[in-house]
Amino acid sequence: NAGVTQTPKFQVLKTGQSMTLQCAQDMNHEYMSWYRQDPGMGLRLIHYSVGAGITDQGEVPNGYNVSRSTTEDFPLRLLSAAPSQTSVYFCASTPGSGRATDTQYFGPGTRLTVL
Amino acid sequence: QKEVEQDPGPLSVPEGAIVSLNCTYSNSAFQYFMWYRQYSRKGPELLMYTYSSGNKEDGRFTAQVDKSSKYISLFIRDSQPSDSATYLCAMSFDAGYSSASKIIFGSGTRLSIRP
Repeated sequence: NAGVTQTPKFQVLKTGQSMTLQCAQDMNHEYMSWYRQDPGMGLRLIHYSVGAGITDQGEVPNGYNVSRSTTEDFPLRLLSAAPSQTSVYFCASTPGSGRATDTQYFGPGTRLTVL
Repeated sequence: QKEVEQDPGPLSVPEGAIVSLNCTYSNSAFQYFMWYRQYSRKGPELLMYTYSSGNKEDGRFTAQVDKSSKYISLFIRDSQPSDSATYLCAMSFDAGYSSASKIIFGSGTRLSIRP
């Protein structure tokens, strides 16, 4: 199993550009989520999904869109990049019903810089 | 005031020392307390969790919760250079369906074990 994969590993954008961060998992997990990690802020939830076709907002959803057309893939779209979106982005998948105490399997992260 | 506070470190100790990592929190409704380990340039991984107050041991790691003081700790005995990582505490009100969306993370403490 590859686990959770994320592409790209690094990305530099200009303000106003759009892009999609890709996330895929091969563990057949229903629950998937996107976090951003900023210095001194910890991990903050952007969006999550409890299964194909179902998504919901997390703590910091503004400026991001998600969709979940398959169990395996959960892309994150930046609509119009802003410098405040410079961060490290992690995708995670969780087995079962996505309980807080279940093991979340994190991808390796995407380092995004917005100029 | 942040809901979860964690000293960012860095904390540097010699190999074999006992390490104490701590978090404080403000919301008495938190019931589940988790510790994640994050190696450099990697995603976090769940180390262990405890429910309510008390201790939980797993090998060289002991998690302790003091709800009366709103204070949690992670102790690492016989610390090894391979324990060098950032340790994030995390908390949740419940562990039911989709409750992974309700996890609040600390900002992490960077730990370095000197050989």
